[in-house]
Amino acid sequence: NAGVTQTPKFRILKIGQSMTLQCTQDMNHNYMYWYRQDPGMGLKLIYYSVGAGITDKGEVPNGYNVSRSTTEDFPLRLELAAPSQTSVYFCASTQWEGDGYTFGSGTRLTVV
Amino acid sequence: AQTVTQSQPEMSVQEAETVTLSCTYDTSESNYYLFWYKQPPSRQMILVIRQEAYKQQNATENRFSVNFQKAAKSFSLKISDSQLGDTAMYFCAFMAGNTGTASKLTFGTGTRLQVTL
Repeated sequence: NAGVTQTPKFRILKIGQSMTLQCTQDMNHNYMYWYRQDPGMGLKLIYYSVGAGITDKGEVPNGYNVSRSTTEDFPLRLELAAPSQTSVYFCASTQWEGDGYTFGSGTRLTVV
Repeated sequence: AQTVTQSQPEMSVQEAETVTLSCTYDTSESNYYLFWYKQPPSRQMILVIRQEAYKQQNATENRFSVNFQKAAKSFSLKISDSQLGDTAMYFCAFMAGNTGTASKLTFGTGTRLQVTL
């Protein structure tokens, strides 16, 4: 099993550009999440989903959008990229709370 | 809302020695889970150990063990016989259980551990 796969691993965007961070999991997990990691700040929740067709905002959703059309995929869309969105983005999934999360390998995004 | 506090931004330990990383949390929940994640330079987030709040026995995974003090809301990680491969950022994390929400993890700000020769 591949687990949680994120693409791309690195990306540089210009201010105002848009892009989609892809996330796919092959474990049939219902719960999926997007976090961003800024230096010295830990991980902050952007959006999450409890199943196909259901998404909700986390702690820092502004400037982002998500969709969950299938159990496997949970893409994160950045519209009108800003320097404040420079960060490392992690996708994660779980089926049961006690298991903790399985994380993807992260995407390092730089907005210039 | 839950908060997780890691008061040690950086720590250093010599190889083969023991080190303890601190974590405190604040919650009004009675049922919850606590986790320690390791993030090496590769950036991958790796689950080290987990603790269920309703279990009094401290969790152990090989060289990693926790000291879970529920009344004090403390959840420290002890690494025994430290190895160079333990060099990483360590995150403490909290998850409320059975809340009907989405099993969201709340993370601390991390402790950077350096293992030296």
